[in-house]
Formats: sequence, C-alpha cells, structure tokens
Amino acid sequence: ETGVTQTPRHLVMGMTNKKSLKCEQHLGHNAMYWYKQSAKKPLELMFVYNFKEQTENNSVPSRFSPECPNSSHLFLHLHTLQPEDSALYLCASSALAESGTDTQYFGPGTRLTVL
Amino acid sequence: AQSVAQPEDQVNVAEGNPLTVKCTYSVSGNPYLFWYVQYPNRGLQFLLKYITGDNLVKGSYGFEAEFNKSQTSFHLKKPSALVSDSALYFCAVRDTDYGGATNKLIFGTGTLLAVQP
Repeated sequence: ETGVTQTPRHLVMGMTNKKSLKCEQHLGHNAMYWYKQSAKKPLELMFVYNFKEQTENNSVPSRFSPECPNSSHLFLHLHTLQPEDSALYLCASSALAESGTDTQYFGPGTRLTVL
Repeated sequence: AQSVAQPEDQVNVAEGNPLTVKCTYSVSGNPYLFWYVQYPNRGLQFLLKYITGDNLVKGSYGFEAEFNKSQTSFHLKKPSALVSDSALYFCAVRDTDYGGATNKLIFGTGTLLAVQP
C-alpha cells in the first residue's frame, strides 16, 4: 500500500468544521480517483482526475470539493458535512483514465466520522 | 443496465480446503473484470484481472479466477485456503456504457470470506 498513501487515516469532525483529506501516489500515474465506501453498499465513484483535469463528478454534493494540483497529489476538501457522509474515503490511481484495462491501485483510506 | 453481482454475503471454508467466491456480471461489449481484496481498516488491494486471452487468470497470493463468457461469471478460486485469506473480496467490471473518457468501474457489494483454522 505504499504506492498510494492517504492522510489522515482517521478523522472526526463536526458538521460545521472544514477539513481536508490528502492523497499521494508514488506510481507515476496520471489518473486519480476519489471513492466513498459505506457499509453494505458498493463503492461509489465520486471524482476522477486525468492529467490534473477533472473528468468526472458523479453528482457529488458541493460540500465535497476536490483539488488536484499535480498528477501525484489529490485533495478532498470537506465543509458543512452531514452525519450520513460518515464513511471510508478511498483514493486510487491508474496509469490513464481513458484505458479500461488499466488497474486502479488504492490507498488505505480515511475513516471519516461526522458528528 | 450494467451490473456486477456477488450472490453470497459470506463464504465460510475450513483452512486447507478449496475456496470459491462467486461473481456474475452484465455488461455490453467485452468485459474487463477485476478482483480486489480488502483487509480490515485497509484499502482495496488488486488481486487479478481479465482483459482478454486465457480464461483462467492467475493472480496474487495463489488466487486465480475463471472467466466464463456463456455464464457471464468470473469466480475467484484458490486451491487451499489460509486463515490469512479471511477478508472482504470485491469483484468489479469496467463500465462499457460510460461514454466519457474515464476508467469507471462498477463494484459488487463484496463477499466476506471467513477461513476457519
């Protein structure tokens, strides 16, 4: 899992807080992804960045704001979250976003709890 | 609609016995299929994938999967289970209906594998 790292690993925040999740990939990839994993539900793709450009916003509420300053770093800025946003947030990367054959490699995730 | 189904929420197997974790899919066009494993409090780890070619795909940690086009299945298998194999397993397929330039995967809901010593 050292290929894709995420910080923090655990985060507890109130509904009025502002926090950010960070993801870094050391694989030389050009595409990065944010997923949300909730209990008993399939992984939900949130955002995709390809060569720093956002190519997918899967109808995610505006209280989640992604940022991709370069191909190695991806952030997810959080503000005024709701308790139902509590979940495991996973970052992934792949060589290219266009290739359906490329493998996505995942980080360890950030366990977010919204009080 | 494209989908992935993992019909078993949990699979129990004794250590040393063969294991199978089932996955069926529904996509238009050629399927690109993936298996991932998730250990507690960890991210998803890639096990193997089928893109084209030999229907039997070998992956990490002694796992393999068999692609069966007629049954639209991609079951994960291992000849001899280990207690350390106990984890959550996810099957995924590339969303071929998606028109955008994005490697979008459709994931199953996961199957918990419990290997008893």
